Formats: sequence, C-alpha cells, structure tokens
Amino acid sequence: EDQVTQSPEALRLQEGESSSLNCSYTVSGLRGLFWYRQDPGKGPEFLFTLYSAGEEKEKERLKATLTKKESFLHITAPKPEDSATYLCAVQVLNSGYSTLTFGKGTMLLVSP
Amino acid sequence: GAGVSQSPSNKVTEKGKDVELRCDPISGHTALYWYRQSLGQGLEFLIYFQGNSAPDKSGLPSDRFSAERTGGSVSTLTIQRTQQEDSAVYLCASSLYGATIKNEQFFGPGTRLTVL
Repeated sequence: EDQVTQSPEALRLQEGESSSLNCSYTVSGLRGLFWYRQDPGKGPEFLFTLYSAGEEKEKERLKATLTKKESFLHITAPKPEDSATYLCAVQVLNSGYSTLTFGKGTMLLVSP
Repeated sequence: GAGVSQSPSNKVTEKGKDVELRCDPISGHTALYWYRQSLGQGLEFLIYFQGNSAPDKSGLPSDRFSAERTGGSVSTLTIQRTQQEDSAVYLCASSLYGATIKNEQFFGPGTRLTVL
C-alpha cells in the first residue's frame, strides 16, 4: 500500500530560524512528488513538483529536494507569513492513470 | 484567469438529508478530482473525472456518495442520507491534462460540510 509520512507534525520557528520539513514515501511507480501549502480555511496551493531523485526546485525562501525515498522542504530565514500547513503528495500510476496520495501535513508556525 | 471555485463554501445539514456540492474547474482543464479532508487527517481521494467519465470511483466511501460531471466542466458531488461522519471539508481540484500525464492539480477553496 502506498504511504506518505510527513514529519514533524508541527513545527514552531522563530523568524529567521531555518529548518527542514520531511516527507518520506513508500510507493510503487512514483511519477512525481508534489508540495502544497494550505492556509486555514483555504484549499491547498501548489508549490513544487519534483520528478526524479536529485532534482531541486526553489521559490523565494523555499527549496524542495527529492531522493529515492524522501523529500525535504527547506525553509531559509522564514517569516511569519510562511506560517501554514505544508502538504506533500506522491503521484502514482494506478490502473492506467495517476492519482495523488497525500501525507497528513506539517503545521508550521513562524513567530516574529 | 479564474481558479477553481466551489459552492457553497459552508453547508450545515441535518442527519439523513441529501446534499449537493458543486465544483467549477479552471476553464480548459480536462481532469477533475474530489477529495475529502477531515480534521487531523490527510486529503482522502474520492473520485476522478476525465472529461465526463469517471474511471476511478474507488475512493467513494459508500454508495450514498455519487458524483457527475457534465459538459466536461461543472461537477456535482451528492451525498444522500448524510451521516455525522460525513462532516468534513470537501475539496475539488482540476488539472490541465488527464491524470496519465504528469501535471499539477489546482484546488478550490473547499466546501465545509457539517452534519448535525
């Protein structure tokens, strides 16, 4: 069974304190790994897609990396506006089409 | 252009009543997905549409749940005889191509369903 595990469940940082969120997965036929940001009361907002081990993508203070078993979302010098829940999802092949399997997310709180 | 929209944003209903949730995908997106997000849980896949067809209904929790898509655009998720365990946020997403191609899913704001 495909599984996606995110850690930690919650993370509290001071403004400017860099850290990383982890997403480990066990799937067959990985097609891509997605990172989303979700603010309270809103739908997930797309951040990155990674397709192969060794790939990295950056956006402002965020950098996502991928290995064969896990992905990291690095947050450099975070600001309070980076506070949100970060969701990881794997896209897998399923009977001729692909679906997303999500982790439960990491709730990030950045204090000023 | 406009993103994915969903209506209503909130729905409170009594146990046993039927509800309909609506999703308007991004114009031109051929694939549409429904998910359910319960408190403390991850997003749970419900159903996927390619055009008006639903190749995968395996995520629907019970036969009280059904969905349709018309004109390759608007989709409706119907829950009959609602139960308290149906309370959750129902999210809709769309993607440009079919799910067989690597592509991003864009989400709507969700409908928060509360069954009393």
